[in-house]
Amino acid sequence: KQEVTQIPAALSVPEGENLVLNCSFTDSAIYNLQWFRQDPGKGLTSLLLIQSSQREQTSGRLNASLDKSSGRSTLYIAASQPGDSATYLCAVPGNTPLVFGKGTRLSVIA
Amino acid sequence: GAVVSQHPSRVICKSGTSVKIECRSLDFQATTMFWYRQFPKKSLMLMATSNEGSKATYEQGVEKDKFLINHASLTLSTLTVTSAHPEDSSFYICSAQTHQETQYFGPGTRLLVL
Repeated sequence: KQEVTQIPAALSVPEGENLVLNCSFTDSAIYNLQWFRQDPGKGLTSLLLIQSSQREQTSGRLNASLDKSSGRSTLYIAASQPGDSATYLCAVPGNTPLVFGKGTRLSVIA
Repeated sequence: GAVVSQHPSRVICKSGTSVKIECRSLDFQATTMFWYRQFPKKSLMLMATSNEGSKATYEQGVEKDKFLINHASLTLSTLTVTSAHPEDSSFYICSAQTHQETQYFGPGTRLLVL
């Protein structure tokens, strides 16, 4: 059974700092991994989708890496801004369409 | 990009009443839609898989008679919470899957049962 763990559960950083969010999964037989953003009381916004054949994906200030063999992914946010404050979720396909971690709640302080 | 809408975005109802939530794919056809539930500070959990024209497949522990799902067309799936109780208060999110098996998520519906 696929399980996804995200650490830290919460993170507070000053504006401008670079930061890394971690995601680990127990079953490395995945064909992709997704990172999502969720604002309070809102639905999910897909940030990055990494296929199993890729090692990383970049979108603006976001960079996600994937190491299938070790069951890990990281989301790197450069030059953080207060608008980046949200919960970040990673998800992988499992015995259900997507298995989500509990997320990392990020607060960027101006 | 593909857009999925949900209606209503927020609903408050009395205990014992039923609430219907709609999920629509606005610019693509989705033969499969998924319904998720998220309790505060918990992961998103899949409730059921909705296939157009057939019965929904429910995850273990989800009562199919309580959470009625209808996928009447390729662009619309509905979730009806019947005889709602306060413990049903949650955030309900749907997603619609394209033929390339990419999921697009709706904005969610916050349900509060008093």
